[in-house]
Amino acid sequence: EIVLTQSPATLSLSPGERATLSCRASQSVSNYLAWYQQKPGQAPRLLIYDASNRATGIPARFSGSGSGTDFTLTISSLEPEDFAVYYCQQHGNWPFTFGPGTTVDIK
Amino acid sequence: QVQLQESGPGLVKASETLSLTCSVSGSSVSNYTYYWSWIRQPPGKGLEWIGYVYYSGITNSNPSLKSRLTIAVDTSKNQFSLKLTSVTAADTAVYFCARAPSLLTGPWFDPWGQGTLVTVSS
Repeated sequence: EIVLTQSPATLSLSPGERATLSCRASQSVSNYLAWYQQKPGQAPRLLIYDASNRATGIPARFSGSGSGTDFTLTISSLEPEDFAVYYCQQHGNWPFTFGPGTTVDIK
Repeated sequence: QVQLQESGPGLVKASETLSLTCSVSGSSVSNYTYYWSWIRQPPGKGLEWIGYVYYSGITNSNPSLKSRLTIAVDTSKNQFSLKLTSVTAADTAVYFCARAPSLLTGPWFDPWGQGTLVTVSS
């Protein structure tokens, strides 16, 4: 089973700042990585799939990059609604696994 | 607009069977381009992929749950379901249903249902 590690666990930033979130896989997943945003009491929302493809309706301030074992989700300028928990998920190797999440909170 | 809605008991006794149904609107579970999936999240914790079912009834599931798990599709009702036997407190979680593309590159999940909390009581 592929283990995903996310860092940092918590990222404290102000609106307007740039957020850089990391996801590392225990072995290569090629570019088969997705990112989700989850707010309290809500279901996760798909942001990115195949490492860098934005899902339908996702703002351009969200971007994904990476391949192999190291991936990054970047939020170019944080909006108030972006403070949430972010999960990565590998979708290339069975069983499909999620990272433990990074919380982006307001500084 | 695709919508998924979970339903089922919110409380299950330990050693019994957890049963949930996901009702789909705006998309057909008979569509061969999708997998119909279950994911769970224990309170305050991360996400765990449970498994998925294809329109044909073929399933794929997490090996950690496979021996206790049944996932099925009902095309006449546009629903799919999950049954998990011999539950314990460790199965207490919010259970989400979700749609995933049936690609060789594996499933990502979009959209999701709102989730339903299932508590296992002793």
